[in-house]
Amino acid sequence: GDSVTQMEGPVTLSEEAFLTINCTYTATGYPSLFWYVQYPGEGLQLLLKATKADDKGSNKGFEATYRKETTSFHLEKGSVQVSDSAVYFCALPTSNTGKLIFGQGTTLQVKP
Amino acid sequence: AAGVIQSPRHLIKEKRETATLKCYPIPRHDTVYWYQQGPGQDPQFLISFYEKMQSDKGSIPDRFSAQQFSDYHSELNMSSLELGDSALYFCASSLVLAGSRGGYEQFFGPGTRLTVL
Repeated sequence: GDSVTQMEGPVTLSEEAFLTINCTYTATGYPSLFWYVQYPGEGLQLLLKATKADDKGSNKGFEATYRKETTSFHLEKGSVQVSDSAVYFCALPTSNTGKLIFGQGTTLQVKP
Repeated sequence: AAGVIQSPRHLIKEKRETATLKCYPIPRHDTVYWYQQGPGQDPQFLISFYEKMQSDKGSIPDRFSAQQFSDYHSELNMSSLELGDSALYFCASSLVLAGSRGGYEQFFGPGTRLTVL
């Protein structure tokens, strides 16, 4: 069945460091891919998305490229800020109804 | 812009009690999804509705039921609550049924934190 695997956390970085959070997936066909972010005590917010192979989603300095050949959708940011501290989820829709399955989430902590 | 509204935001219940969670989707959105997120876990899909009909079902216990009303709001009813039901329950809405696993994003509400004592 479809699945999403994320790198284990937590990830602790200093401010202005480079961030990579790995995400790989298994799916039939070529679904859209999403990154959601969950700040402490809040709901899930869509961070970025890509709808087809080689698409690059970007938002708030974060980027992720849909790589069909490696079935990956790694999240990157060139210079993280303390305010980026949150839990990041990679997700994909698993059926025609659009229900999402999520990776296990990666906690990012950025220290000043 | 209008967002998904969930009520209540926090709910404390005793074991074996009943709880009702409400979700008001973004106006004109016709699909509602419910997810359950346990502590430190990723969200797990429970159930979804499209145009007031159940469109998909996940790992939802038989003790739970849900429906979508004519005004598109949805309610998740939970009976015989157990300690393990303590979790954050999210509702999400989208504009159209995401056929062909397309790019229609789901907009999430802030969640209802249910604590069962």
